Amino acid sequence: AQSVTQLGSHVSVSEGALVLLRCNYSSSVPPYLFWYVQYPNQGLQLLLKYTSAATLVKGINDFEAEFKKSETSFHLTKPSAHMSDAAEYFCAVSGYWGKLQFGAGTQVVVTP
Amino acid sequence: NAGVTQTPKFRVLKTGQSMTLLCAQDMNHEYMYWYRQDPGMGLRLIHYSVGEGTTAKGEVPDGYNVSRLKKQNFLLGLESAAPSQTSVYFCASSYPSGSGNEQFFGPGTRLTVL
Repeated sequence: AQSVTQLGSHVSVSEGALVLLRCNYSSSVPPYLFWYVQYPNQGLQLLLKYTSAATLVKGINDFEAEFKKSETSFHLTKPSAHMSDAAEYFCAVSGYWGKLQFGAGTQVVVTP
Repeated sequence: NAGVTQTPKFRVLKTGQSMTLLCAQDMNHEYMYWYRQDPGMGLRLIHYSVGEGTTAKGEVPDGYNVSRLKKQNFLLGLESAAPSQTSVYFCASSYPSGSGNEQFFGPGTRLTVL
């Protein structure tokens, strides 16, 4: 069975500060991992994904994530937060038939 | 390309009523999925389909049925709506071949059951 745990349901960051969102996974097979973003009243949009090609994955809008097998983690970072980064972020692990198991989500608030 | 579209966008039902949510994709994707999103629980898979004419149960299938008569459409039905089915429903689609393919999501349907 696969599962995802996102630490922190709400994160508040100042504009220009580092964004760090934590994700830990459990998987019995080498995982495919994803970060999705959901802006208010919209669907989910892919930020980045890990598919074993490289442990440091770069995504859109300057986000990146590092896969650490020893820590079973896939934390998401962005060096400098922008007001437009205010959204909910979901970590997910993929299983058979591409089925996604999502974490509970982390709401990011950016303060001026 | 419109991508993944969902109709309706909003719906209010009374307990016991039925309805069908329609998902359509124009990307020629083989795989399609229905998820529900509830506060603090992320998205949970209801049903999925790996090709025209095939469907399978996901994590929370009870109270829902689905059909995939055409490759581009995936319908989600509620036969007798219950307040516990109040949620935001998302449809997604993807290419097959492995589990590393991105899923493309629709804008969602907000359903309230009174």
